[in-house]
Amino acid sequence: EVHLLESGGGLVQPGGSLRLSCVVSGFTFSSYAMTWVRQAPGKGLEWVAGISGSGGSTYYADSVKGRFTISRDNAKNTMFLQMNTLGAEDTALYYCAKDSSVVPAASHSWGQGTLVTVSS
Amino acid sequence: EIVLTQSPATLSVSPGERATLSCRASQTVTDNLAWYQHKPGQPPKLLIYSASTRATGIPARFSGSGSGTEFTLTISSLQSEDFAVYYCQQYNSWPPYNFGQGTKLEIK
Repeated sequence: EVHLLESGGGLVQPGGSLRLSCVVSGFTFSSYAMTWVRQAPGKGLEWVAGISGSGGSTYYADSVKGRFTISRDNAKNTMFLQMNTLGAEDTALYYCAKDSSVVPAASHSWGQGTLVTVSS
Repeated sequence: EIVLTQSPATLSVSPGERATLSCRASQTVTDNLAWYQHKPGQPPKLLIYSASTRATGIPARFSGSGSGTEFTLTISSLQSEDFAVYYCQQYNSWPPYNFGQGTKLEIK
């Protein structure tokens, strides 16, 4: 059974940093691209970043480009999202998701999410 | 950047009736379009990918159609558990793999 578990969320001050983790099990991690999606309070889903199965290709939404870094450790079945220079607009529930192929595509499995709150 | 526009924003339907949700892309996404169901307190669930292929375990009352720029999600006979927010997402042209703004399906 596919399982994804996010962690690392919390309260951070504006301008601060956080590192989210997503530990997975139940599938061959390196064979699938992975994605981060977020949902701000009262808003819809926003695609944030994606990474290929090998980790060699990464993709970002314009809203986070230059501030967020997606990465993965295939030996540890873990994906990361390093978030720097956080602002109030980054407050959201962050989901990690497993895509359907080695390159970013539709997201077939999702974690429960980890909440990031940016506030002073 | 491809923009996805979903309509209507809110759809009120009675249980047992058919629901039809639309998603329009600002430029072609061929058939690289997915539909998700999202309920409060739960992660999104993939319903349809490649515009018309049901994901594993999704009931047959959910169907997707369309290609290019016009797409439809149809729920043939609404069950109580189907009332939720539905999003379309394109994965033809990235970044970003945009979502639509969502359609809230509510009980009439």
